[in-house]
Amino acid sequence: AQSVTQLGSHVSVSEGALVLLRCNYSSSVPPYLFWYVQYPNQGLQLLLKYTSAATLVKGINGFEAEFKKSETSFHLTKPSAHMSDAAEYFCAVTDASYGKLTFGQGTILTVHP
Amino acid sequence: GAVVSQHPSWVICKSGTSVKIECRSLDFQATTMFWYRQFPKQSLMLMATSNEGSKATYEQGVEKDKFLINHASLTLSTLTVTSAHPEDSSFYICSARGAGAYGYTFGSGTRLTVV
Repeated sequence: AQSVTQLGSHVSVSEGALVLLRCNYSSSVPPYLFWYVQYPNQGLQLLLKYTSAATLVKGINGFEAEFKKSETSFHLTKPSAHMSDAAEYFCAVTDASYGKLTFGQGTILTVHP
Repeated sequence: GAVVSQHPSWVICKSGTSVKIECRSLDFQATTMFWYRQFPKQSLMLMATSNEGSKATYEQGVEKDKFLINHASLTLSTLTVTSAHPEDSSFYICSARGAGAYGYTFGSGTRLTVV
């Protein structure tokens, strides 16, 4: 069985500040990990994914995440927040079979001017 | 890139009626389709997985007779909510995976309101 825990349902940052969204996973097999962003009443857009290659993954819009097996973590970061980053972010896990995705609870990011 | 078109974007229906939601893969063949529902302020919950030409596999607690899934072609999957009730009001999202494609493409979602 696989699971994802996102620490912090709400994160608030100032524009230009560091963004850090936390994700911890549990998996009995090597995980494939994803970060998605969702704007209100829209589907999910892929930010980045880890599929057992480089542990530091760079994604779109300046986001990146680092896979740390020892900490079972896959935290999402962005050096400088922009107003347009305000949205809900989901961490998700699957495995090499690309079966069903298991999602975390989501983190709503608010960016203040 | 891969695109999944989901329609309608929103629908309001009367209690007791049925509603059909369509997801079409526009530039790839979707061998597997995942259907999710999302309640306000909550995460996505997988309802069912369907492979083209096969019966859908439903998650525990999801009524297969209420949420009918058809995946008869490699480019079209439908979810029909039968005899809808207000508690079925939710945001429904499809996600497609193609053969040999290492990822998932999500539709834009359907907001269903049952009155």
